Amino acid sequence: QITLKESGPTLVKPTQTLTLTCTFSGFSLRSNGVSVGWIRQPPGRALEWLALVYWDNDKRYSPSLKNRLTITKDTSKNQVVLMMTNMDPVDTATYYCVHRGVTPFFDYWGQGTLVTVSS
Amino acid sequence: QSVLTQPPSVSAAPGQKVTIPCSGSSSNIEKNYVSWYQQFPGTAPKLLIFDDNERPSGIPDRFSGSKSGTSATLGITGLQTGDEADYYCGTWDTSLRAVLFGGGTKLTVL
Repeated sequence: QITLKESGPTLVKPTQTLTLTCTFSGFSLRSNGVSVGWIRQPPGRALEWLALVYWDNDKRYSPSLKNRLTITKDTSKNQVVLMMTNMDPVDTATYYCVHRGVTPFFDYWGQGTLVTVSS
Repeated sequence: QSVLTQPPSVSAAPGQKVTIPCSGSSSNIEKNYVSWYQQFPGTAPKLLIFDDNERPSGIPDRFSGSKSGTSATLGITGLQTGDEADYYCGTWDTSLRAVLFGGGTKLTVL
């Protein structure tokens, strides 16, 4: 059974760096083709993809946010970490961790964590 | 503004059929598989359709997906009040090298 769970601060100040951790189970990020990603959703708005890290450590970022994002994996801990710099109130959103298998869809989602950016 | 275009809302009566379109371009929908997600308020999205028209186990066959050229469509037959949710299409864009989502469609079952 695949599960993913996000953890991190619920409140960050403008200009700070957000660090979110995804802890997963039920699969290995060493498996060929597997990736873990992050997707966010501002309140009342649409889904926005942020980043992906693949089993071979290849990484993909949203073109509009790539200068602010860093995604890393720790295979031994079954964790993926997302860092987003220079946070702004418009970055207030629920952040989801997702599993993506060999084929390009997100089949398992974490419950999400709401991050509010406010001074 | 999303690169994939969906109508903000659709509605239909219980028991009826509804379709939700998702319009893209030659660099995304035309070249890559489309997936669809269902999201109820306050919960994480759930995979509904993958690889254009495949259903994960547990998804009833009232839900279907299709694709033609640069557009994809989610179809729902035998509408139930429990189908009221937001629906999102998603795909990969080969030129942008990025995952794209549509703006989402709110389904109301009148």
